[in-house]
Formats: sequence, structure tokens, C-alpha cells
Amino acid sequence: AQSVAQPEDQVNVAEGNPLTVKCTYSVSGNPYLFWYVQYPNRGLQFLLKYITGDNLVKGSYGFEAEFNKSQTSFHLKKPSALVSDSALYFCAVRDRTGTYKYIFGTGTRLKVLA
Amino acid sequence: GAVVSQHPSWVICKSGTSVKIECRSLDFQATTMFWYRQFPKQSLMLMATSNEGSKATYEQGVEKDKFLINHASLTLSTLTVTSAHPEDSSFYICSARDIPGRPPDTQYFGPGTRLTVL
Repeated sequence: AQSVAQPEDQVNVAEGNPLTVKCTYSVSGNPYLFWYVQYPNRGLQFLLKYITGDNLVKGSYGFEAEFNKSQTSFHLKKPSALVSDSALYFCAVRDRTGTYKYIFGTGTRLKVLA
Repeated sequence: GAVVSQHPSWVICKSGTSVKIECRSLDFQATTMFWYRQFPKQSLMLMATSNEGSKATYEQGVEKDKFLINHASLTLSTLTVTSAHPEDSSFYICSARDIPGRPPDTQYFGPGTRLTVL
């Protein structure tokens, strides 16, 4: 069965420090991988995606993610966290079999402390 | 670009009534739209895949007669919650997949609709 795991319910980081939000996946073949952010009572905003090519993907708001095929991971990173980055982050995977459906992780709440 | 809107943003209704939620792609055409349900502090649960001009494909466990989906045009999909009950109260989010030509395989999400059934 295909799945996405976000092992941390919450991540706390001090403003200005680097942040990492973890994601691992279990999908047959080579997946498409995505990160989205959700602010309270809002829909999801697209941050970045990995389709193919360079394992380091740069996205919106200074976020980046590294695709690691051997570890089946796609961790989200940012060199210097901002208080405004505090939100709920979702990792998602879409397989390449043509259904276009996403499988979402359970979400990680990021709290950046001033 | 790639903006998806939902209307209404919130709705309160009495038990037994029906509620229609609209999802529109504002600056692109969407052959495929998705409807999700999100419970507090939980992830998104895919309810159904809506394809323009054809019947929606529902996920296992989702009642198709209760959650009616219509995708009548390339920019509009609607979700009607029929005979709503308090357990249907939730945050409903739609997303749209762009027609190939733009960066592929990205879903763009609407802002969500908060449904409260009294």
C-alpha cells in the first residue's frame, strides 16, 4: 500500500535557526513528491515539488527539499526560520500510474519561536 | 496564476437540509478537480475525483448519494451535501489539476469551506 509518513506531529524551532520537517514515503516506482503549507482556516498553498532531475528542489518562501531515493525521503528545509513560517505542513506523493490522486501525510505543525 | 476559489467560505445549516459548495478555477481550465474533507488537526481525506463531463469517482467509504459532485465545465465543480447531519460538519477543500501544458501534476487548492450542521 502506498503511504506517506510525517513522523513529527510538531516541530519547534527558534527564529533564525534552520528548520527541517521530515517526510518519508512508500510508493512503487518513482513518485512525484510535493510539499504544501496550510495556515489556519485556509486551503493548502503549494510550496515545491520533485518530479525528476536535481535532488535538491527550491520552492516558495525560501523553502527547499531534498529527494533521497535510497532513504525514500523528501525532507523540507529552510536555512533561517521566520515566525511567519509557523503553520501546518503537508507532504504528499502522487504516483505515476495516471490516477492523479495525491496521498497526504498526516501533517506537521511548525512553530517558530521569537 | 493558478487560483482556485470556493464559495461559500463558511456555511451553517440545519440538520436535514442540503448545502452546495462551489469550486472554481479562476485563471485556468481544470479537467480534473478533487474534493477533500479535513477534520480538526487531521490530514486531508480524498472524497472523490471529479472529471469534467463525466461521473465523479468516489473513494471507498464515501457515500455518492450523500455527496453529489457535478463537474459541468472546465472551471466549475460543485459538491452538494444532501440531507446534512451534524457528523457532516467539517472543512471541505477542493483542488484543481491544470490541463497539461503548465508544470504538470500540481494540484492547486481552494481556500476551503467550513460546514457546520446544527
